[in-house]
Parts: sequence; structure tokens; C-alpha cells
Amino acid sequence: DVKVTQSSRYLVKRTGEKVFLECVQDMDHENMFWYRQDPGLGLRLIYFSYDVKMKEKGDIPEGYSVSREKKERFSLILESASTNQTSMYLCATSVAWNSGANVLTFGAGSRLTVL
Amino acid sequence: QQQVKQSPQSLIVQKGGISIINCAYENTAFDYFPWYQQFPGKGPALLIAIRPDVSEKKEGRFTISFNKSAKQFSLHIMDSQPGDSATYFCAAPGAGSYQLTFGKGTKLSVIP
Repeated sequence: DVKVTQSSRYLVKRTGEKVFLECVQDMDHENMFWYRQDPGLGLRLIYFSYDVKMKEKGDIPEGYSVSREKKERFSLILESASTNQTSMYLCATSVAWNSGANVLTFGAGSRLTVL
Repeated sequence: QQQVKQSPQSLIVQKGGISIINCAYENTAFDYFPWYQQFPGKGPALLIAIRPDVSEKKEGRFTISFNKSAKQFSLHIMDSQPGDSATYFCAAPGAGSYQLTFGKGTKLSVIP
């Protein structure tokens, strides 16, 4: 089974701090994603990457950036955290697009609280 | 941008009953419609998915029904069990992308 590991399950940060969320996968999946999950809003795509050093904006990229220097690692960066970025952040991976099926494997999530 | 409308937002079903969750999508270029299941404290996990060359797919107690002309699909959970209590998300690909857009989720509670 693919394992997607998010390094921090719970973080508490202060407004204006720089925040790094790390995600590591142990399989050879090309695609990696960052979603945020908020009650009543479902899962919203922040950024994704389909190859090393490649990144694409999702639906809500504002206030975030990403880094993918190695195939197995995808980082989400909040340059200056704000209270409205308090959320659950989910990393996911999938193999290269295959016949239109984007089968996502998710990590357990990182719950970020910004005070 | 794809829109996926999921209903209901929450659902309470008695043990042994049928749980039904509905989703509607807009245009999509790719035929792959998954349902994800999420338990508290866990990430979502793929439950079942359908490619609409068939109108229905069944895996155990879980069935997806698909209506391509209406752009709707639904999840039926037969003989619902307390262990099915979770949040369920449907998803659909975009008009020009494999990217999945998720519904807002349905919190299912199955009571004994």
C-alpha cells in the first residue's frame, strides 16, 4: 500500500509566522497534491505537482506556495500565516494520469491553528 | 471550473437501513467518478468508483448509480451499519483536466 506521511499532525502558529507542512510518499507516484478541508466546504485543491520542480495552482492558491525538490516530498508553505488559514491540510498522491482515473491516496492530515 | 453539488449535508440512518447520498456535476471530459470515505482523525480513502460505461457498480453493500444524461450519480449503502458512520465525499473530473473536484461532504451517522 502507498503510504503518505504528513510530518506534523497538529501545529499551532502565530499570525505572521512562516509555516512549513511536509508530505512524504513511499511509492513512486508522479502526482502530489495539497488540499485544505473545512467544515461545510469539503476538500479544496491548493496546489499540485505532476513532476519534480513542477507545480500548478489549484482552486485556492492565494497565500500559499509549494516546493517539490524530490519526487517523494511535497511541501506546502505559508509565507505569513493568517487566522483564516486555520484548517485541516491534506496531502495526497496519485500515479501518472491513467485512462482518466485520478485515484488519490491521502495522508492523515495536518491540523493547523493560527492564533 | 467544475462544480459538484452533494446532498444531503448530514444523514442519520437506523442500523439496517439504506443510506443514499446524491451528487450532481457539470461538464466533464473524463469519465471517472469516485466516492471517498473519511473517518474522524483520518484522511479520506477511496471507497468505490465508477466509469459510466455502466450505469451501476456494486461492491458489497455499496452501490454507485450513474445517470449520465442528468449528470448525476449517487451512493447507496445497503444494510447500513454503525461502522459506516463517516463523512462521504463524491468527486468528478473537470472539463479539461483529470483534476478532481470534491463535493462538500455528507456526514453519515448510523444509529443502533
